[in-house]
Amino acid sequence: QQPVQSPQAVILREGEDAVINCSSSKALYSVHWYRQKHGEAPVFLMILLKGGEQKGHEKISASFNEKKQQSSLYLTASQLSYSGTYFCGTPGGVASGTYKYIFGTGTRLKVLA
Amino acid sequence: NAGVTQTPKFQVLKTGQSMTLQCAQDMNHNSMYWYRQDPGMGLRLIYYSASEGTTDKGEVPNGYNVSRLNKREFSLRLESAAPSQTSVYFCASRAGTYLYNEQFFGPGTRLTVL
Repeated sequence: QQPVQSPQAVILREGEDAVINCSSSKALYSVHWYRQKHGEAPVFLMILLKGGEQKGHEKISASFNEKKQQSSLYLTASQLSYSGTYFCGTPGGVASGTYKYIFGTGTRLKVLA
Repeated sequence: NAGVTQTPKFQVLKTGQSMTLQCAQDMNHNSMYWYRQDPGMGLRLIYYSASEGTTDKGEVPNGYNVSRLNKREFSLRLESAAPSQTSVYFCASRAGTYLYNEQFFGPGTRLTVL
């Protein structure tokens, strides 16, 4: 089952903040976040690992609560370039018994000038 | 480095026709994946290959077959195309199956089945 993301869609004005949530019915061992611009392929944003380790390269932060099987992406002082669809990705691994890599349902974000 | 490449970019098929979507990566990655994305929808896993020589079903494998030809190439075959297979198909690769290995995507193949 795909992780469920909320909200499904959000519209912001430049400079406003947004939070995107990713919730899984299965145990999560790490969460990855991606952004997809219209007509393009998804692009990696950030990795979150158990224990709070975070790897990313943009001014976007995130949290990961493995007990609640949830992750949240925080977009602060949004810019026009933040517009797109955001996906959480959930890799499997030895602990889960599968190497499937499943994406969440997606959140469409539009930033207006 | 080209990264992940996919051919063709666009394709129109008639119901019942067959075709193979090609994917190649030049990053020496071990793992490769095929996803489909329907309009306004998320990415659904069709098949994956955790390492060269292995392939496994994803969430929506019916109507598809795959071949991991070598470490670089991973193809997806539609044996008898159906209108429900109209979608954008993305190939992706990862260095490995560790939890910190992210996905790198190809540009996608836009397939229409009439």
